[in-house]
Amino acid sequence: AQSVTQPDIHITVSEGASLELRCNYSYGATPYLFWYVQSPGQGLQLLLKYFSGDTLVQGIKGFEAEFKRSQSSFNLRKPSVHWSDAAEYFCAVGAGSSASKIIFGSGTRLSIRP
Amino acid sequence: AAGVIQSPRHLIKEKRETATLKCYPIPRHDTVYWYQQGPGQDPQFLISFYEKMQSDKGSIPDRFSAQQFSDYHSELNMSSLELGDSALYFCASSFRLAGVSNEQFFGPGTRLTVL
Repeated sequence: AQSVTQPDIHITVSEGASLELRCNYSYGATPYLFWYVQSPGQGLQLLLKYFSGDTLVQGIKGFEAEFKRSQSSFNLRKPSVHWSDAAEYFCAVGAGSSASKIIFGSGTRLSIRP
Repeated sequence: AAGVIQSPRHLIKEKRETATLKCYPIPRHDTVYWYQQGPGQDPQFLISFYEKMQSDKGSIPDRFSAQQFSDYHSELNMSSLELGDSALYFCASSFRLAGVSNEQFFGPGTRLTVL
């Protein structure tokens, strides 16, 4: 069965520091992978997605992620975080017929230290 | 740009009552999805529709039903509400390209509180 694991429940980094959020997936075929961000009480915003092609994906707000098939990973990175990046981050995989549903990881809460 | 519209944004119901949530997809999107996010939980897929037909089914209780109408909007009907149904319900929409669902755009959600 398809699944997504985000091993870090909560991460705190200093403003201006680099960030890496981990994500591992389990999926039989070539996965469709996503990173979403959710601020408290808000909806889900797509940061970036991987469908095929270049394994290093650029997203919005300065985020990027690298698909590594050998490690079944899709880690999210940002070279320098801003206080406004504090939020919940969800890694997800598209599954089902025609990738018609998204399976989310449990999320990583990012806090920014001033 | 137009986004996914969900109504109502907030809803308070009593146990055993019925609720109907509505979702209006982005224009020209042919697929809608429903997700349930409990407090402190990740979103869980409930059900999806493509061209008014059910496409995929997830962990949707039998007390819930949904449909997609000819104008592509969708409604999630929830009966015999339970306290555990209190959650944020997201709708998302996308269009299919070459038989594959494209990126899903999420609405702001409906927060349902069952008392």
